[in-house]
Amino acid sequence: EPEVTQTPSHQVTQMGQEVILRCVPISNHLYFYWYRQILGQKVEFLVSFYNNEISEKSEIFDDQFSVERPDGSNFTLKIRSTKLEDSAMYFCASSPDRGRETQYFGPGTRLLVL
Amino acid sequence: RKEVEQDPGPFNVPEGATVAFNCTYSNSASQSFFWYRQDCRKEPKLLMSVYSSGNEDGRFTAQLNRASQYISLLIRDSKLSDSATYLCVAQGAAGNKLTFGGGTRVLVKP
Repeated sequence: EPEVTQTPSHQVTQMGQEVILRCVPISNHLYFYWYRQILGQKVEFLVSFYNNEISEKSEIFDDQFSVERPDGSNFTLKIRSTKLEDSAMYFCASSPDRGRETQYFGPGTRLLVL
Repeated sequence: RKEVEQDPGPFNVPEGATVAFNCTYSNSASQSFFWYRQDCRKEPKLLMSVYSSGNEDGRFTAQLNRASQYISLLIRDSKLSDSATYLCVAQGAAGNKLTFGGGTRVLVKP
């Protein structure tokens, strides 16, 4: 069964450093998403991406965040200057289309900012 | 008011018993609803979509009440492997982002 994959599984970084989280969505999917989950809290939407542009973003997704689909398979989330409060599990998801289509989640990248 | 609200639990359930729990949502424009399951430190996995007519998948039954803006999940004949956090999720009409509740923790014990 096709899966969303994410690398790395864990990342430790120093405050102020840039990090890039990588995702490979399911191959025939058209919509891509990033969510995050701070430890002990709910899953929160960050951004959705379609046709090489952001289709929706949350208040969390400020100028420090960016997304990119650099080639036909990868989808990346960049945090330019990490803060302590960016420590969380970051999940990538993809769906075949919008609306009622199921979003399939990757296993996540656990980011720890020291 | 939280957009999607759930009782965090835990619901301690004897193996073989039935457990049911609800969630409420505040945005009446929400179009689609789902139950996801999340195991500790893992990704959310779709359990089932929720339809107004109610739907069943094996031991799991989901119901949507649009008038009262709540969604329910019932698990029959609970298995030890049903122990997890169950996430209530709403999806809006305008966009396709998922809005998650905080989750209801279920512990099934022998």
